[in-house]
Amino acid sequence: DAGITQSPRYKITETGRQVTLMCHQTWSHSYMFWYRQDLGHGLRLIYYSAAADITDKGEVPDGYVVSRSKTENFPLTLESATRSQTSVYFCASSGLAGGPGSYNEQFFGPGTRLTVL
Amino acid sequence: DAKTTQPPSMDCAEGRAANLPCNHSTISGNEYVYWYRQIHSQGPQYIIHGLKNNETNEMASLIITEDRKSSTLTLPHATLRDTAVYYCIVRVPTGNQFYFGTGTSLTVIP
Repeated sequence: DAGITQSPRYKITETGRQVTLMCHQTWSHSYMFWYRQDLGHGLRLIYYSAAADITDKGEVPDGYVVSRSKTENFPLTLESATRSQTSVYFCASSGLAGGPGSYNEQFFGPGTRLTVL
Repeated sequence: DAKTTQPPSMDCAEGRAANLPCNHSTISGNEYVYWYRQIHSQGPQYIIHGLKNNETNEMASLIITEDRKSSTLTLPHATLRDTAVYYCIVRVPTGNQFYFGTGTSLTVIP
């Protein structure tokens, strides 16, 4: 089906383990994003990617690694999970930016709820 | 990056207009104002955006003050399905990033 999907939807892991969250979009959107949302807080940007092989840090990148070898996929890896990374993770995508100030709607996935014990 | 300030919560009677305010006093001239909403634990959903002029679509209306330091999102006839957290976002001019605040939790009351 067309759209943006995330897997797994739920994940429980232990402190120190490596975890990879997957994000896949079928629109061939140039931009992809990872956000985290903690209880009682809004979304905070972790990393984003403007195109394949181009990534950049957001507000809270520490403890996370991303890659983008293909346009449609944008995996997020927690190399050594910590309890503070327990959160809901949202992936989003959007089309080409038209330049500063231009409109670009972001489409969000359903989220992955990650618990680190 | 311009920051936004929104009231943490609001109530609205079903069928009435819901007016959600947002302050963005440090907004730059080329930054757009976007509104998204998040229903329960779903991913955020785009509602509307604007630069200077008032905007309207099938979901809502957006009024931006002349000095662009504040805006109001209006849901003309709120329904129970409009109960959600509403985020007012100012888009940074570089890249394609959105910075979400904590939003306004709107509860539509029957």
